Amino acid sequence: AQSVAQPEDQVNVAEGNPLTVKCTYSVSGNPYLFWYVQYPNRGLQFLLKYITGDNLVKGSYGFEAEFNKSQTSFHLKKPSALVSDSALYFCAVRDIRGNNRLAFGKGNQVVVIP
Amino acid sequence: DGGITQSPKYLFRKEGQNVTLSCEQNLNHDAMYWYRQDPGQGLRLIYYSQIVNDFQKGDIAEGYSVSREKKESFPLTVTSAQKNPTAFYLCASTLAVGRAGELFFGEGSRLTVL
Repeated sequence: AQSVAQPEDQVNVAEGNPLTVKCTYSVSGNPYLFWYVQYPNRGLQFLLKYITGDNLVKGSYGFEAEFNKSQTSFHLKKPSALVSDSALYFCAVRDIRGNNRLAFGKGNQVVVIP
Repeated sequence: DGGITQSPKYLFRKEGQNVTLSCEQNLNHDAMYWYRQDPGQGLRLIYYSQIVNDFQKGDIAEGYSVSREKKESFPLTVTSAQKNPTAFYLCASTLAVGRAGELFFGEGSRLTVL
């Protein structure tokens, strides 16, 4: 079964500094990987996904993520964090040969300090 | 505009009562999902449906029931058998063709048992 680990409960970063949110995954086959963001009392919003091809994926709001197969990682990055980036971030994985279920990590709270 | 509509946004229930959460989508998506979100636990899959009149249990289906009589609707009933129903419930949908599609989420329903 597929699974995701987001090792840090909270990430604190100063406004204007680079932001990184870590994610490692486990699947039996090849993965489809996703990042979502959630603001308080709202649904999840899709940021970006890795399907195949270039390991560096660019998404919404200036976010990008790098797929690293050897390290089974898919870390989310933003070169310069904004206060409005403060939210809960979820990594998710689906096995391309498995069922259509998506496994989510526990989420990382990002706090951008003005 | 296309999207997923969940209702009600907030719901209060007395112990022993069944409640039904509504989820409607006009995205023409085949697959629909129900997740439960608790603080610090990420998203846990309750039920999912990949086609009308068919659905499968997720990881925490006990105490819940669903139906999929129409493509656009996937209501969730929280029964009195659910021991700890207070949570934030999220409905999502995706195209079932292939597995590379991202999930689209509704805005959630917050259920509180009094």
